[in-house]
Amino acid sequence: QQPVQSPQAVILREGEDAVINCSSSKALYSVHWYRQKHGEAPVFLMILLKGGEQKGHDKISASFNEKKQQSSLYLTASQLSYSGTYFCGTERPNQGGKLIFGQGTELSVKP
Amino acid sequence: SAVISQKPSRDICQRGTSLTIQCQVDSQVTMMFWYRQQPGQSLTLIATANQGSEATYESGFVIDKFPISRPNLTFSTLTVSNMSPEDSSIYLCSVPTSGATGELFFGEGSRLTVL
Repeated sequence: QQPVQSPQAVILREGEDAVINCSSSKALYSVHWYRQKHGEAPVFLMILLKGGEQKGHDKISASFNEKKQQSSLYLTASQLSYSGTYFCGTERPNQGGKLIFGQGTELSVKP
Repeated sequence: SAVISQKPSRDICQRGTSLTIQCQVDSQVTMMFWYRQQPGQSLTLIATANQGSEATYESGFVIDKFPISRPNLTFSTLTVSNMSPEDSSIYLCSVPTSGATGELFFGEGSRLTVL
């Protein structure tokens, strides 16, 4: 079951904040976040392994609400380099490494 | 981390032909995954290539169409057989870093266009 991401696309000015949501109709074992720039391979951002967990580095952070079966990615004070398509990936229990990715959220940061 | 090399990086193929994509990793890994990314779409897992056993295919993908080889712990191939324009996609090889749960490293992908 593919997780659902929202919004599908967002346009920001440099310095603005954004939130990308990822939800699933099935129980989430873990949530992975990746960013893919145009023409490049997806790059890992972070994994959240249990409900209530929050992580972050630089100005990108994420939360995972196990009960609500959803995760959110927070981008604060966005930079031009944040532009790209963000994917959440969910992992099936006992099938480590096999990710089902959401449809992606295209983020464009303008100067 | 892992360094993944894929060949070819891109190709233009004729309908009905087959193409083999190679994936070379700079370290030994137990699992290797093959994903497909259709134009403007998300990443869809095709199969898991396991060394020493047959590949495990996801729903909607079959061995006759996407045969996979895994001769050793650093190398795998994916063949796209009897191609049609619907097979035009980016095919990505990926490997987990360590353990059963961890980040995935992706190759740069092989962009196939079928005419």
